[in-house]
Amino acid sequence: ETGVTQTPRHLVMGMTNKKSLKCEQHLGHNAMYWYKQSAKKPLELMFVYSLEERVENNSVPSRFSPECPNSSHLFLHLHTLQPEDSALYLCASSQVEGHTDTQYFGPGTRLTVL
Amino acid sequence: GQNIDQPTEMTATEGAIVQINCTYQTSGFNGLFWYQQHAGEAPTFLSYNVLDGLEEKGRFSSFLSRSKGYSYLLLKELQMKDSASYLCAVRDGDYKLSFGAGTTVTVRA
Repeated sequence: ETGVTQTPRHLVMGMTNKKSLKCEQHLGHNAMYWYKQSAKKPLELMFVYSLEERVENNSVPSRFSPECPNSSHLFLHLHTLQPEDSALYLCASSQVEGHTDTQYFGPGTRLTVL
Repeated sequence: GQNIDQPTEMTATEGAIVQINCTYQTSGFNGLFWYQQHAGEAPTFLSYNVLDGLEEKGRFSSFLSRSKGYSYLLLKELQMKDSASYLCAVRDGDYKLSFGAGTTVTVRA
């Protein structure tokens, strides 16, 4: 399945580093999402972009900065992270039309903050 | 806030049936999704219910009762490859999915 791809798959970074996560969707969808998945916890929605406009920002710390240059690409810029930010970061996309918009997920980036 | 509950773990034997329950209390309701997630992989879409009743898709079925805030995912003729985490998610707005913590199903030979 290559509908939604994410790079890198694994990332280890120090608290003073700056890195970016990349997501690309090949499904022609008009909305893209960032989620955080920590062990034994529900997926937490971080950001939503619809038609390249940010429509949801769930009280995420400013050390996470999203960017959506076009409808196919989504980035998550990371800087001065904390060890508790270590988690699986999942990207998803959907076609928002009426009441049905199934979200399709990428494989995620496993982030470890030292 | 949103409250979505599902059991943490379930174990069943190959060939058996397992039912994963999900109860929810959300500020809005615009459909309920079930996803399957194998360890280290992306969640993959299994089913969507927005009206009351049973939706069947091969070995997997999903049921919804909106008045009770309740859904279940039924897995029949279990196979070893069905060992995974199963996520219940409620769409409570235009874009937002609220997820349960997931149920880890282990299928034993």
